[in-house]
Amino acid sequence: QKEVEQDPGPLSVPEGAIVSLNCTYSNSAFQYFMWYRQYSRKGPELLMYTYSSGNKEDGRFTAQVDKSSKYISLFIRDSQPSDSATYLCAGSISNFGNEKLTFGTGTRLTIIP
Amino acid sequence: GAVVSQHPSWVICKSGTSVKIECRSLDFQATTMFWYRQFPKQSLMLMATSNEGSKATYEQGVEKDKFLINHASLTLSTLTVTSAHPEDSSFYICSAARVWFERTSGGYTDTQYFGPGTRLTVL
Repeated sequence: QKEVEQDPGPLSVPEGAIVSLNCTYSNSAFQYFMWYRQYSRKGPELLMYTYSSGNKEDGRFTAQVDKSSKYISLFIRDSQPSDSATYLCAGSISNFGNEKLTFGTGTRLTIIP
Repeated sequence: GAVVSQHPSWVICKSGTSVKIECRSLDFQATTMFWYRQFPKQSLMLMATSNEGSKATYEQGVEKDKFLINHASLTLSTLTVTSAHPEDSSFYICSAARVWFERTSGGYTDTQYFGPGTRLTVL
């Protein structure tokens, strides 16, 4: 079993729709969770960073973490064609030093104009 | 802020040659940098953790002698693919850990900022 599981998609939704991206993880020691966006042939770009359980909102993006069910979500409101990319979730145990990130496989999202 | 650059952005080389890839943190210092490789439509696979002034820590299955890592300063890490072969063709991405104060946790934390990647093609 992979430590972080993510549906690879592809996922296609019409412009303006709400997008829900999800990951599950198995490592109970994870405390920090990230969402990255990766455009084709580019490096990942940090979107959201959350600590422990709860919600975090940044503009059209909301990240949710439910540690009791080991479930991570990213919601995108009013989706735009420019949101079309691969979204990667990641978890880590600590928040300092050389702690490595464990990534999901990524979900390929296409927003249809 | 938090910009990480990589050079070159793409490289094509002949089998048996060595290729060096540079990763630089442009506006912050990074004691720790990470090297990943990514095959088409797959996720990032961590190759090694690079610490400034010390030897890199390699993930299981990654050949240390083939993928040489040097982290000579707080803003530069290099990955050298020695005696490259076609199976080494991949997208190589580095990241640099930036330390910052996170109000939610009430302490200093770090998160990784990624470079744009280097596409290596070995003929």
